[in-house]
Amino acid sequence: AQTVTQSQPEMSVQEAETVTLSCTYDTSENNYYLFWYKQPPSRQMILVIRQEAYKQQNATENRFSVNFQKAAKSFSLKISDSQLGDTAMYFCAFMKHDTGNQFYFGTGTSLTVIP
Amino acid sequence: EPEVTQTPSHQVTQMGQEVILRCVPISNHLYFYWYRQILGQKVEFLVSFYNNEISEKSEIFDDQFSVERPDGSNFTLKIRSTKLEDSAMYFCASTKGQSTDTQYFGPGTRLTVL
Repeated sequence: AQTVTQSQPEMSVQEAETVTLSCTYDTSENNYYLFWYKQPPSRQMILVIRQEAYKQQNATENRFSVNFQKAAKSFSLKISDSQLGDTAMYFCAFMKHDTGNQFYFGTGTSLTVIP
Repeated sequence: EPEVTQTPSHQVTQMGQEVILRCVPISNHLYFYWYRQILGQKVEFLVSFYNNEISEKSEIFDDQFSVERPDGSNFTLKIRSTKLEDSAMYFCASTKGQSTDTQYFGPGTRLTVL
C-alpha cells in the first residue's frame, strides 16, 4: 500500500520570503507520479506541480519547485517570493504508473502568507 | 479555463436518506473520479469511472455507493442510505486522455448527515 505523509499541519511565511513544505511517501513501486495540489479557502484543488519518478531533474513551475529525492522517498515543495495568493492548503499526492487511477493524498499543510 | 463543477456546495440530510451528488467534468475529459475527505483527515479515493463503467474502487466504496453518467455531461455519486460517518467533503475529478494525466478537481460538496 502507498502512504503519503505531510508532517507540517500548519506553516506561515512572510510575504516575499521562501518556504519549503515537506512530503514523504512510502511505496514499493518504481514508476509513479508525485503531485502538489493547492486548495485556496473555499476553492477547488488546483495542480501546482507534477513530477514523474523516472525523471531525475526536479520539476519547476515559475516560483514553485520541488526537491525530489527518490531514494529517500521525499518530495518537498519550495515556494519562492511568497505572495498573499499562495495562502492555501497544500496537498502532496502519489499516483501509481500502471493503473494511474487513484491518488493517495497526504493530510495537507495549511500555509499562511503574512503581509 | 474549463473547470469541474459540483452541485450542491452543501447538502444536509437525515440519516437513512438517499443523496445524489452531482458533478460536471470538463467536457472533453474521459476519466472521472470521486474522492472524499472527512474533516481533519486525508482525501481518500472512492472510485474511478471510464467508458461508462467503474474501473477501480476502494474498500470504502461499498454497496451503499453507486456512480452513474446519466447523460453526456453529468457524473453522479449516489449514497443509498446515508450514515453519520458519511459526513465529509466529496470531490469530483476528471482527466483528459489517459488515466495518468493530471486530475482536475471540482470545488467539492460538503455532505452533513444528521
